[in-house]
Amino acid sequence: DGGITQSPKYLFRKEGQNVTLSCEQNLNHDAMYWYRQDPGQGLRLIYYSQIVNDFQKGDIAEGYSVSREKKESFPLTVTSAQKNPTAFYLCASSIFNSPLHFGNGTRLTVT
Amino acid sequence: GDSVTQMEGPVTLSEEAFLTINCTYTATGYPSLFWYVQYPGEGLQLLLKATKADDKGSNKGFEATYRKETTSFHLEKGSVQVSDSAVYFCALSSYNFNKFYFGSGTKLNVKP
Repeated sequence: DGGITQSPKYLFRKEGQNVTLSCEQNLNHDAMYWYRQDPGQGLRLIYYSQIVNDFQKGDIAEGYSVSREKKESFPLTVTSAQKNPTAFYLCASSIFNSPLHFGNGTRLTVT
Repeated sequence: GDSVTQMEGPVTLSEEAFLTINCTYTATGYPSLFWYVQYPGEGLQLLLKATKADDKGSNKGFEATYRKETTSFHLEKGSVQVSDSAVYFCALSSYNFNKFYFGSGTKLNVKP
């Protein structure tokens, strides 16, 4: 079955370390997105990519970086510059004129 | 800019009660509107959508009508079940589905 795979489901890191969250899709979707979800808040857009080798900053890109070397992969790196990285991270994808399709998320805890 | 506002939760109902979750939006142009549902520890799943004014989206007994005159897209269900307990997000996308904007989510608790 087609879908989006985010791994790992839970991730723990020490403050000051960079960490990379994986997102892979086999839906052949062109666009991919990273969102951050905090308790009691909606989703906030971190980065998005419409095509391979191109991506744009979302509303809260500071302290994050991405790459889009392959159509099916859109990894997110949470750097040590991100002041409050503990959150639930959601990856999504879509094709033109279609709704977002989400993965099951990665819960990152930084202590 | 574009935005979505939905009623705060939690909403607590007894099984078989009628559900309404209010959602209003601000957008330039002609957005598409969505309701997503999130179960604990999972990602969001598309529940229903409407792409133009007066469209009614429906799925699994849930309905929402795109009202351009009131800029609203309220979610309704005639008889909720315990299994409907989840967080519901209203969302909109720009005309070409290029960017998506989400409300803050409304938690629904259904008691047997």
